[in-house]
Amino acid sequence: DVKVTQSSRYLVKRTGEKVFLECVQDMDHENMFWYRQDPGLGLRLIYFSYDVKMKEKGDIPEGYSVSREKKERFSLILESASTNQTSMYLCASIVGASGTGELFFGEGSRLTVL
Amino acid sequence: AQSVTQLDSHVSVSEGTPVLLRCNYSSSYSPSLFWYVQHPNKGLQLLLKYTSAATLVKGINGFEAEFKKSETSFHLTKPSAHMSDAAEYFCVVSISNTGKLIFGQGTTLQVKP
Repeated sequence: DVKVTQSSRYLVKRTGEKVFLECVQDMDHENMFWYRQDPGLGLRLIYFSYDVKMKEKGDIPEGYSVSREKKERFSLILESASTNQTSMYLCASIVGASGTGELFFGEGSRLTVL
Repeated sequence: AQSVTQLDSHVSVSEGTPVLLRCNYSSSYSPSLFWYVQHPNKGLQLLLKYTSAATLVKGINGFEAEFKKSETSFHLTKPSAHMSDAAEYFCVVSISNTGKLIFGQGTTLQVKP
């Protein structure tokens, strides 16, 4: 079974703190994604990566950065957390382009910024 | 521009009755369409996908969806709801030339005993 693991399920941080969200997949997938999920808004793409050290902005990249130093690991970074970044963050991976295949999701990281 | 609209934010059915979750899409290209399900405190799981083969697509757990190009719809159905179907469902369209996905706003399905 494909497994996408998000190391932190629940986090509480203070405004201005730096936050790291880690995601690891075990199926040698090229493409990895970070989404943000908010009620009534569905999932919105923050960043994606199609190869090691490669990254592309999604629809809402402001306030976020990413790192992909190894193929299996894709990190989302909030340089200075703000209260409007309180949300559920979902990581996903896929073997090729996401146009026709199946995305595999982690269980999510719920971040609260006070 | 590509977009997807789920017509109901919340659907409530009784156990054993049919389920209909509605989705309309807009796409300049021949789209790929997906339905994903998210159970409470879980990640999303693929239910089914349409990628220009048969217009009636069968998925897991008895769900199916029909691609209707003339109506730009991809509604999700199930003949008989089960309590375990209670979850949030997302309709998703693929932007063919980029491989990016656009998610609908989600429909919460409640199943009453």
